[in-house]
This record gives sequence, structure tokens and C-alpha cells, in this order.
Amino acid sequence: GAGVSQSPSNKVTEKGKDVELRCDPISGHTALYWYRQSLGQGLEFLIYFQGNSAPDKSGLPSDRFSAERTGGSVSTLTIQRTQQEDSAVYLCASSLNRGWDTQYFGPGTRLTVL
Amino acid sequence: EDQVTQSPEALRLQEGESSSLNCSYTVSGLRGLFWYRQDPGKGPEFLFTLYSAGEEKEKERLKATLTKKESFLHITAPKPEDSATYLCAVTDSWGKFQFGAGTQVVVTP
Repeated sequence: GAGVSQSPSNKVTEKGKDVELRCDPISGHTALYWYRQSLGQGLEFLIYFQGNSAPDKSGLPSDRFSAERTGGSVSTLTIQRTQQEDSAVYLCASSLNRGWDTQYFGPGTRLTVL
Repeated sequence: EDQVTQSPEALRLQEGESSSLNCSYTVSGLRGLFWYRQDPGKGPEFLFTLYSAGEEKEKERLKATLTKKESFLHITAPKPEDSATYLCAVTDSWGKFQFGAGTQVVVTP
């Protein structure tokens, strides 16, 4: 079956512009996660969605970051007024349910802010 | 707060030279420990899940083991295609994932 997909694979933007990153989880997976990975660093948790529950936004670094998940499936991560320090790879993962289930990752979106 | 520490940060091996990676953790109520492999420019690829101390899992040249404080990923007779960054993650009783910084493995012919 299809895995987690993300688009675009690469995004180059100018400082101050808004960007939207998209994630299509594995069909049937109720939990969806966003992570950020800076060069040579580990994964930094950003936000997670579980079914129809309110998302856990505890990892979002600032109010410029937001995310939504429509219809319990596709998710969009939006970064407003991008800064150079936002440059990183943004990874999406999904799991069958939250908690102890294995997370399966997409290929990531590499964001470069000039 | 949950903590995951991986060592070494980097490991360079000759083809066929077996070695082990370490993942030590501090977590409130471990519910699962996960190993992933990440190739440059790609997302992490799932390898193993371990749930309780004493558990072991194997896949080709890789074997993962778990104790109450740490996990080891043993690479037996590695090949160049085993070169990657190996990530460890734990999830606690609240279901929150915490990833380590990873071990970068390079296997030379």
C-alpha cells in the first residue's frame, strides 16, 4: 500500500513569505505527527493530531507555525513570515493510533529560507 | 522529562567489522522503544519495536536488544549498504515520542 507522502519535496522561499507544506498519511491511520529536523540534528516534535481530538501543539516553536488536518486525513503545516532559522527538513509521520504504535515517516520537505 | 541518548555520535566500520550502537533512555513508564534507519535526504525508515526488557528482534544483519535502561543495535558483518544514520526513539505512558540524536554509521569496502 501507499506510504506517507509529502509535498513539495523542496521549497525555497524568501524571508518574510508564508509557506504551506502538505502531508498525506497512510490510509486508515488516525494519528499524524509533524517533526522538524535541522542539519545534523535529531527530530524535533512540532504537533500531533489524533482523530477528532484537539491537536497537541506543545512543540510549535512560535505562533508563526500552525497546522490543520482536514477530514481526519490530509494535513497542512503553515509557516507565516518565514525566517532563516526555519530552514530545515519538515517530516510528517502517521500511525494507526497514538501512543505506542509505530510511526511511519514520509520523505520530508526541505525548506530553505533565503 | 524523557531523555534519549545515543552513542557514539558517529561510527566508521570496515566491511565485515561487527559493532554495536547504544541507546540509553530515561522515561516514565516505557511503552515502546523504536529503531529507525535514515538515509541522506530521506525520511526515517522503521526497523524494530521493542516493548519489554529482554526482548530481541533481528532483521538481516541487524539485531536489537532491550534492557531496563538501554537498547543496543548490533550490526553483524556490515556491508556498505548499511551506511546510514540510526535513530532510537521511546514512547512513554502518555504516548509521547522522544527521539535521540542518532548515530551516523559509515561502512567502507
